[in-house]
Amino acid sequence: GENVEQHPSTLSVQEGDSAVIKCTYSDSASNYFPWYKQELGKRPQLIIDIRSNVGEKKDQRIAVTLNKTAKHFSLHITETQPEDSAVYFCAARTGRRALTFGSGTRLQVQP
Amino acid sequence: DAGVTQSPTHLIKTRGQQVTLRCSPKSGHDTVSWYQQALGQGPQFIFQYYEEEERQRGNFPDRFSGHQFPNYSSELNVNALLLGDSALYLCASSQDFRPYEQYFGPGTRLTVT
Repeated sequence: GENVEQHPSTLSVQEGDSAVIKCTYSDSASNYFPWYKQELGKRPQLIIDIRSNVGEKKDQRIAVTLNKTAKHFSLHITETQPEDSAVYFCAARTGRRALTFGSGTRLQVQP
Repeated sequence: DAGVTQSPTHLIKTRGQQVTLRCSPKSGHDTVSWYQQALGQGPQFIFQYYEEEERQRGNFPDRFSGHQFPNYSSELNVNALLLGDSALYLCASSQDFRPYEQYFGPGTRLTVT
């Protein structure tokens, strides 16, 4: 089955800096790659996603890039703010199959 | 328009007991997936229900079972609870013809003592 690895497990940045979280996946048939943000005690919230026919997608300060050849995708957050502090999960999916999640990255934005 | 809802919010059970968790999908959604999220880990897929049938199952023992009702709501049952079953149980709903967007409920925090 699919395996998703996520790095780093923790990331601390200064407010205003950029943050990058990277994930690799194993199943070349995977075609959907969402990113979720989970604040303490709350549900995962979808923040951005990308499909395999697109190499990059941007939404304000958040962007995701996908390299299908290398089977990796990344989340980029620019101009980080304290409210960006949370745990971020990447995931991969093939068709209607279930999402396979990475192990998460705890992002701390220092004011 | 209500999003995905789950009940109860928190639950404390004793080893060996049985538990039932409930999920109501987002309006218009017909597919329900259940995930287990242990502390400090990513969600792990348990199973998915569509048209009242289990369509896909993750690597969980038969102690974990479920059901989907005609109104698309769903239940997760866990028998013979173990300490290791303590986790946040998340329900996610989606539309079968539009599977990419999956929305999570707030979760049920299960503690097994």
